[in-house]
Amino acid sequence: DGGITQSPKYLFRKEGQNVTLSCEQNLNHDAMYWYRQDPGQGLRLIYYSQIVNDFQKGDIAEGYSVSREKKESFPLTVTSAQKNPTAFYLCASSWGGNNEQFFGPGTRLTVL
Amino acid sequence: QQQVKQSPQSLIVQKGGISIINCAYENTAFDYFPWYQQFPGKGPALLIAIRPDVSEKKEGRFTISFNKSAKQFSLHIMDSQPGDSATYFCAASSGGSARQLTFGSGTQLTVLP
Repeated sequence: DGGITQSPKYLFRKEGQNVTLSCEQNLNHDAMYWYRQDPGQGLRLIYYSQIVNDFQKGDIAEGYSVSREKKESFPLTVTSAQKNPTAFYLCASSWGGNNEQFFGPGTRLTVL
Repeated sequence: QQQVKQSPQSLIVQKGGISIINCAYENTAFDYFPWYQQFPGKGPALLIAIRPDVSEKKEGRFTISFNKSAKQFSLHIMDSQPGDSATYFCAASSGGSARQLTFGSGTQLTVLP
């Protein structure tokens, strides 16, 4: 069964804690992306990665970090420096220069 | 300018009616314009996409109309059904090995039975 998985579905964090969101894909896609979605807003790009061991900042990278040690995995860490981390986080992937991005089911992060 | 402006913010349509959602962009380098459909608590799914070398693309009940000179594109949903009730996002991107999509703010569509 091919696709993108994100875990956990719901995540609660206390202020001041770092938390890592998981994203795995078995579509053999080269590129992977992290987006943040807030209520009533579109998706905003946090980070993206074109190949293993390489990634670039998106529009709202401050307070986030990523790694890309394996082609199929692109975890996102929300650090304590992120001032307003409560949001719905979406991971996506695509073939290299192909247009279509496939999205995972998302992780809803709530800071208590 | 990377922004993509989407309207309306919300839309209510009777079953069988036509739903129309509009988007406008500024960046003339954009060359790919997809529409995504998102149900509550789920990730977006690609609905239909168009490139600027055509003015219209139709897939089933969904049609994209594209006006390059006006830098506008729109989604038409014919014979709208209650199952179409979802949030729709337009997006745009330009070339590159990893396409960065710029999304509109979304339209929440409700189709009344």
